[in-house]
Amino acid sequence: QQQVKQSPQSLIVQKGGISIINCAYENTAFDYFPWYQQFPGKGPALLIAIRPDVSEKKEGRFTISFNKSAKQFSLHIMDSQPGDSATYFCAASIEGSGTYKYIFGTGTRLKVLA
Amino acid sequence: NAGVTQTPKFRVLKTGQSMTLLCAQDMNHEYMYWYRQDPGMGLRLIHYSVGEGTTAKGEVPDGYNVSRLKKQNFLLGLESAAPSQTSVYFCASNPQGSVNTEAFFGQGTRLTVV
Repeated sequence: QQQVKQSPQSLIVQKGGISIINCAYENTAFDYFPWYQQFPGKGPALLIAIRPDVSEKKEGRFTISFNKSAKQFSLHIMDSQPGDSATYFCAASIEGSGTYKYIFGTGTRLKVLA
Repeated sequence: NAGVTQTPKFRVLKTGQSMTLLCAQDMNHEYMYWYRQDPGMGLRLIHYSVGEGTTAKGEVPDGYNVSRLKKQNFLLGLESAAPSQTSVYFCASNPQGSVNTEAFFGQGTRLTVV
C-alpha cells in the first residue's frame, strides 16, 4: 500500500513533442505528490508538486494532472526540449502520519531528440 | 548558499572495510534522510532523522548505521562494506515541521565496493 508505481521506465520524444509520465498509488492517505527532476551526476531537484484538492497544476511547460478517484497522477511536459533530458521521479507523502518521508517511484529516463 | 553538501563524492572500498559518509546542511532543516539509488529501483530510504539526536529506520536499513549528533549533520556509516552496497547515496533535508514540502538533495556519493 505504500508503493508508488511509475511508468514508463524510459521514454524517447522528439523535440517539440509532449512527454507523459504516469504514476499510480494505493494509499489514499497520501496528501502531497511532488515530481523531481534529476540530471546525470546531480541530486534530484523539485520540479512541481500537487496536493489532492486540485486536479491540475501548471508551471510553464510542466503540468501535473491528478485523478483522485483513479489514484493516478501524471506529469506532462509540453514542447519538450533536449534540455529536459533527465530522469524524473514521482513521489508521495503523508503529513502528520509519523512517517515523515516520501515514497518514490522507480524513475523514468527521458531523452528528447534534437 | 551551500544547501546540502555530501562528502566524499566518490569512494572505492574493499569488501569488509568501513567508512562514514557525511551530510551537512546549512538551512536549519529538522528532517534529514539518506537514500540509495540503484538502476531501475529509484530512491530507497535507508535511515532518516526528524531532529537532532533522533534516527529511524527506512526501507533498507540493514548494513548501515546513522547518527545525528548535531542538527546540521547526518552521518551514514557502513561497518563492513559488501558489494551489494555499491550504489549512489543521496542525502536530503526538509524544512522544519512538514514533510509535505520540497526536499533538498545533495549531489550524491558514488560508492563502489570491490
